[in-house]
Amino acid sequence: ETGVTQSPTHLIKTRGQQVTLRCSSQSGHNTVSWYQQALGQGPQFIFQYYREEENGRGNFPPRFSGLQFPNYSSELNVNALELDDSALYLCASSLDSNQPQHFGDGTRLSIL
Amino acid sequence: RKEVEQDPGPFNVPEGATVAFNCTYSNSASQSFFWYRQDCRKEPKLLMSVYSSGNEDGRFTAQLNRASQYISLLIRDSKLSDSATYLCVVMDSSYKLIFGSGTRLLVRP
Repeated sequence: ETGVTQSPTHLIKTRGQQVTLRCSSQSGHNTVSWYQQALGQGPQFIFQYYREEENGRGNFPPRFSGLQFPNYSSELNVNALELDDSALYLCASSLDSNQPQHFGDGTRLSIL
Repeated sequence: RKEVEQDPGPFNVPEGATVAFNCTYSNSASQSFFWYRQDCRKEPKLLMSVYSSGNEDGRFTAQLNRASQYISLLIRDSKLSDSATYLCVVMDSSYKLIFGSGTRLLVRP
């Protein structure tokens, strides 16, 4: 069984640029959630996708957007990058929206 | 006030010790409860779900007190490999996971 995979593992961008992060959900999982984890903090919920529809959103500005594909993989897009966007971005998938979530290795994003 | 609060630690214990972590949550409508473990610069990994009746998985025991909005994790016979950050996690009514900031555990030889 393939777990949750994310790409890339590391990324360096400059302020104002745009970035796309990718996530392949675990086989059979229809729900994908994205989290931002700053150093020394717990992960913060960005949004969740369930069967290709956004199914909840945290306190993140509209420049954080995403989508889910028919195979349930997902993308997180961030526009107009700011220094505070530097963090570990985690994707988690679950069998259904109310089931335990399993995380990928994350993408470490650094903004210069 | 944070939605999920944990003592950040670190808890520094010798091998073989028993250690307990506590966590409180503010939303009484919370649906499900979990403990995740996170190693340095790695992703969180599900350690165990937490049920009102209490549940045990080997050396790990989790308890939930809905009336007090309190969750605990007990680790018996600590191993060096238990050194990690333990994240208390609550699922709200919209199935969003809310994480505490984590409690660091250091197990020394």
